[in-house]
Amino acid sequence: EPEVTQTPSHQVTQMGQEVILRCVPISNHLYFYWYRQILGQKVEFLVSFYNNEISEKSEIFDDQFSVERPDGSNFTLKIRSTKLEDSAMYFCASTEDRAGYTFGSGTRLTVV
Amino acid sequence: AQSVTQLGSHVSVSEGALVLLRCNYSSSVPPYLFWYVQYPNQGLQLLLKYTSAATLVKGINGFEAEFKKSETSFHLTKPSAHMSDAAEYFCAVSEIQGAQKLVFGQGTRLTINP
Repeated sequence: EPEVTQTPSHQVTQMGQEVILRCVPISNHLYFYWYRQILGQKVEFLVSFYNNEISEKSEIFDDQFSVERPDGSNFTLKIRSTKLEDSAMYFCASTEDRAGYTFGSGTRLTVV
Repeated sequence: AQSVTQLGSHVSVSEGALVLLRCNYSSSVPPYLFWYVQYPNQGLQLLLKYTSAATLVKGINGFEAEFKKSETSFHLTKPSAHMSDAAEYFCAVSEIQGAQKLVFGQGTRLTINP
C-alpha cells in the first residue's frame, strides 16, 4: 500500500537555527498538507499545497515557515529561525480527493 | 467552517467492556468523517471513514462508527475492549471547499483497565 514518507523521524535543533522537514507524498495525490501536534494537544493544520502553490495557511504558518515542492516528488517544510514553541510533531499528509488522506509517521522536532 | 467536538478527553473502560467515543461535527453540507488512532509516540493511523455510502462504517481492529445526520454525530464503538486499544483517538472532518483540509477534534485518550 502506498505510503507517505517523512524524514527525519526525530530532529533536535538549537533555537534560532533553520530546519527542513522532508516528505514524499503519494505520487498520484494532488493535495499536500503539513499539520502540527504539540505534545498532548490536538492535531493542528499548518498549510495546504495544491498545483504548486499554497492554497491555504493557518495563523500558525507565519513568515518563519515556508513550503516547497522542489522536484515533483518531495514536499518540504522549512522553519527559518526555530523557537522553543516550535517543538512538536510535524505530520505530512496527502490526498487525491477528500475521501482519503494518508499521513506520514511524523517528524518529532525538538528545539533546545 | 467545519468543526469537530469530541466529548470526553479521557475515557476509561474495563477490558472486555464496550468502548464508546463520542464525536459531533458541524457542517452545512454532508461531510466526510474520519477516525484516526494514535499510539504513543507514533503517527496517525486511519481507523475508518464515512464518505456518504453506508451510514454504519466498519474499520480496523473491530471498531465501527455510525453516521447520524439528525444528531450530527459520528460516534466510534467497539463491542469488547482489548488492552491494545489503549491510545489517543481523533475524530476529523474534511472541508468541502477550498483546501479540503482535515479539521480535527481535541482527541480522546482511551485507557483500558485489566
